[in-house]
Parts: sequence; structure tokens; C-alpha cells
Amino acid sequence: GIQVEQSPPDLILQEGANSTLRCNFSDSVNNLQWFHQNPWGQLINLFYIPSGTKQNGRLSATTVATERYSLLYISSSQTTDSGVYFCAVLNSGGYQKVTFGTGTKLQVIP
Amino acid sequence: NAGVTQTPKFQVLKTGQSMTLQCAQDMNHEYMSWYRQDPGMGLRLIHYSVGAGITDQGEVPNGYNVSRSTTEDFPLRLLSAAPSQTSVYFCASSLQGAEAFFGQGTRLTVV
Repeated sequence: GIQVEQSPPDLILQEGANSTLRCNFSDSVNNLQWFHQNPWGQLINLFYIPSGTKQNGRLSATTVATERYSLLYISSSQTTDSGVYFCAVLNSGGYQKVTFGTGTKLQVIP
Repeated sequence: NAGVTQTPKFQVLKTGQSMTLQCAQDMNHEYMSWYRQDPGMGLRLIHYSVGAGITDQGEVPNGYNVSRSTTEDFPLRLLSAAPSQTSVYFCASSLQGAEAFFGQGTRLTVV
């Protein structure tokens, strides 16, 4: 099946710093989503981004489907950004299977 | 618009007990699926459904049953709970090829 790798696995930032999270995938995909899992375990939809660039406040994402990667940018990080960030891809096969990466655990310290 | 609703939020079972985790969505999505999340790992697919009356297995289906009698509901049944099934369970729904939405999760402990 499709492999989804995220880097870095762990990241500690000082509040106000910027960061880039990367997601590489091994095969062509129909779509890609970024999620934030907050410390309470909720999965929050950040971006649905099969290709191109999107921005939402301090967060933005870029997917280059032809090169099989996506990037999530966090600018001016805040302590509320802490948690785990997951990339999830939908395969190009005939059924709706979402494959998750193993996540990037982000800790933002004051 | 409630989105995807899972019940219960927390559950403790004894080994060998059975139970059903409920999942309902009000977005008229044809695709629904169940995932489990174990510590330090991403989500793994248990079972999925592409429409009422149609279900199939995911990566880790053993010990779980599903059915899809309506578009809105997709319950997950644990037939005989085992400690290895201690996990956090997430239900998701989507339209074909579109953004997936997740419920708030059910934290299950099997003792």
C-alpha cells in the first residue's frame, strides 16, 4: 500500500518561531489532508489540499502532487499550536481509503 | 449541523465482553470508516463502507464487525473484547474523493 512519511517526528519551538512540516507519499493520490490533533485528542481539519497552496491565518500548506510531497507552514507559533500534526492521503484506487502518516509532535514553549 | 457524532466518549470493558461503538453523520456522506489510534502512531483503518449495505475490511479488521443499514449510521461491534483492543477509535465520513471529517473519538480500555 501507499507509504506516508512525515518529518520531523518531533519539534520544539519557542513561541513566535516559524516551522515547516513535511509529508512525503510513495504513490499518486487523489487528495491530501492536514490535521491537527490537539492535546485532548480531537482531530481538527486544517487543509484539504490535493494540489496547490492554501492559507488560513498563520497556517498555510502546499502540495506538489507530481513530486509526491506536501508542506505545512506554521508562522508565529503559539502555545495553542501544540499537539500532533498528521498528513493523510486518499489513494487513487477505487475505494475511499485514507492512509495516515505517523505525525509530527509539536511543542510550543512560552 | 452536528457532523460526525460518536458515542460513547469513554468506555471500560472486561475481557470477553461485547459492545457497540456508535457513529452517526448528518451530512449525507456515502463513505464512512472506522480507525483505531494506538499510542505514538497514526490512525489505522479497521473497516469502511462505500454506501448503505456495502462494507469491507481495512488494515486491522480482526475482532471487529460492522454493518451499514442506513446512510447515516455505521456502528462498530467488538464481539469479545481483548486487551489488545484498548485504543482510541475514530469514525470518519466523506463524499467520494472529498474531504474526510472525523468524530471526537471513543477511548476504550479493556481490562
